[in-house]
Amino acid sequence: KAGVTQTPRYLIKTRGQQVTLSCSPISGHRSVSWYQQTPGQGLQFLFEYFSETQRNKGNFPGRFSGRQFSNSRSEMNVSTLELGDSALYLCASSSLAQGPYEQYFGPGTRLTVT
Amino acid sequence: GQQVMQIPQYQHVQEGEDFTTYCNSSTTLSNIQWYKQRPGGHPVFLIQLVKSGEVKKQKRLTFQFGEAKKNSSLHITATQTTDVGTYFCAGLRNNNDMRFGAGTRLTVKP
Repeated sequence: KAGVTQTPRYLIKTRGQQVTLSCSPISGHRSVSWYQQTPGQGLQFLFEYFSETQRNKGNFPGRFSGRQFSNSRSEMNVSTLELGDSALYLCASSSLAQGPYEQYFGPGTRLTVT
Repeated sequence: GQQVMQIPQYQHVQEGEDFTTYCNSSTTLSNIQWYKQRPGGHPVFLIQLVKSGEVKKQKRLTFQFGEAKKNSSLHITATQTTDVGTYFCAGLRNNNDMRFGAGTRLTVKP
């Protein structure tokens, strides 16, 4: 099985712009979670989608949003980018059939905001 | 902020020494998972603990889940340079809500 894929791998944006990141989960996985990873804050949970519905949400401002499509692929969007949004954005997929929440992570998208 | 506290933040050991990282939650967890992230890589699932007081071993790694299901530890015996990386715990607060610890970065001097 192919692993979790994320595109793009690297992205440079300027403040005020918006960005969309994409995640394709492992085939058959219906849960997709998004995390922000920074050196100072570790892994911060953004949100989780299951069957096209947002099931959980972390403590991030409304500028961060996401969605999931019927094929389980997911996108996250960040509007009005700030310098502090520079981070590695990881998505992880999970199949509840394998037991709760063993997550498989993608390689991440490294976002730099200048 | 972090809702699962993990200590220490950094640990530097001589090869052959032991290493332990600890996680604590203010709330009871349904289960706890451990992940390892190598430098430049992404987190990789190691193990999941579900039962109160559970202990699991993977070669030189020993994982424990506290009796109250609020804390957990990962112990590595006789570290090797291949153990280098950041170890994260992740606590599941209910069926859908998972929170990661800040991670412990382990470096091993040969």
